[in-house]
Amino acid sequence: NAGVTQTPKFQVLKTGQSMTLQCAQDMNHNSMYWYRQDPGMGLRLIYYSASEGTTDKGEVPNGYNVSRLNKREFSLRLESAAPSQTSVYFCASNRDRATEAFFGQGTRLTVV
Amino acid sequence: EDKVVQSPLSLVVHEGDTVTLNCSYEVTNFRSLLWYKQEKKAPTFLFMLTSSGIEKKSGRLSSILDKKELFSILNITATQTGDSAVYLCAVEAISGQNFVFGPGTRLSVLP
Repeated sequence: NAGVTQTPKFQVLKTGQSMTLQCAQDMNHNSMYWYRQDPGMGLRLIYYSASEGTTDKGEVPNGYNVSRLNKREFSLRLESAAPSQTSVYFCASNRDRATEAFFGQGTRLTVV
Repeated sequence: EDKVVQSPLSLVVHEGDTVTLNCSYEVTNFRSLLWYKQEKKAPTFLFMLTSSGIEKKSGRLSSILDKKELFSILNITATQTGDSAVYLCAVEAISGQNFVFGPGTRLSVLP
């Protein structure tokens, strides 16, 4: 049982480049989330998807787009990367509200 | 605006010590409070608390919630070097779809 799988684990981008972070869960969870984690700031929600076919903005959505491709997969896209998007990105999922979230191993992204 | 504050932000202790980590929150229509342990990578779930005064326990770790005073504590007794990690507190509101995380407490346990 893999849980939540994120790819890639590491990425270096030049300013202005685009990329997509992939996330898949095999727990049949309804809700999925993308967070970024910066030193001293905890985890901040970028976007979430409460169910297949729906997505909503979180606390820091600017510069990002998401796609809930199906129940398993939730991708995060940076259209034009900026140095301020250098961070560690975590995908998470839970079955529904009021249940704990399970996290992927994270993607360390550096934008130069 | 929903807010979660943790203290201390950093703590260094020696093996065998007991530590108490604090989490206070301001959230509209509180549903639950969760504790996670984050070592090198993914946060891993420790506890979910929804009711005041009921202690949750797992081995040397325990946690309790006070919904009147809006805080929770996480206790670790007889600490070991393997307890070194960042401990994250998160709160979920009934009306919300997501968890609001605090900045975390970085615990270092020295041999």
